[in-house]
Amino acid sequence: GQNIDQPTEMTATEGAIVQINCTYQTSGFNGLFWYQQHAGEAPTFLSYNVLDGLEEKGRFSSFLSRSKGYSYLLLKELQMKDSASYLCAVRDAGRGSYIPTFGRGTSLIVHP
Amino acid sequence: KAGVTQTPRYLIKTRGQQVTLSCSPISGHRSVSWYQQTPGQGLQFLFEYFSETQRNKGNFPGRFSGRQFSNSRSEMNVSTLELGDSALYLCASSSGQGAMAGYTFGSGTRLTVV
Repeated sequence: GQNIDQPTEMTATEGAIVQINCTYQTSGFNGLFWYQQHAGEAPTFLSYNVLDGLEEKGRFSSFLSRSKGYSYLLLKELQMKDSASYLCAVRDAGRGSYIPTFGRGTSLIVHP
Repeated sequence: KAGVTQTPRYLIKTRGQQVTLSCSPISGHRSVSWYQQTPGQGLQFLFEYFSETQRNKGNFPGRFSGRQFSNSRSEMNVSTLELGDSALYLCASSSGQGAMAGYTFGSGTRLTVV
């Protein structure tokens, strides 16, 4: 199967920058997603990377290095509302399916 | 456009019972995937339906089943409930066309088995 590793928990200060890392192993990489999930709510789509490099979307950016099996989500100018779980999900074409496999998520706590 | 609708939001059942959960995808989306989310295991894929056919299946026992109707609405059923089935069940809707097709999740059904 696939291994997707991300830190279990991170804390940061309001206004700061935080980087959430995700490493993965696939036999046929076919795209990586980041989702945000607030407690008790549905995951919401943040970003999609399929080529190497940085994708920027407002305060959030996502980076991918396929050769290293590595991605990160960068959150700038942190706000209290950014306290949530961040899920990394990877598609593996080598499994004959485009269904993404999710990591266990990183719980981010933003404090004043 | 309306989002993904899951019903009911909360459910309490006893061991041995069965349960049916419902999911209405975004209008025009033909793919519906189901996930189980628990604190220990995270999001685990159950199955995906596309145009009324099960297209992919995860590693869950046969007690977990599903179906999709001609209007793309989907149901999942869990029979002979066990305490370990307590979880948040999430439905995700997608156009299902190609690698770029991302998911839109419903708010989930929180199932508690006592």
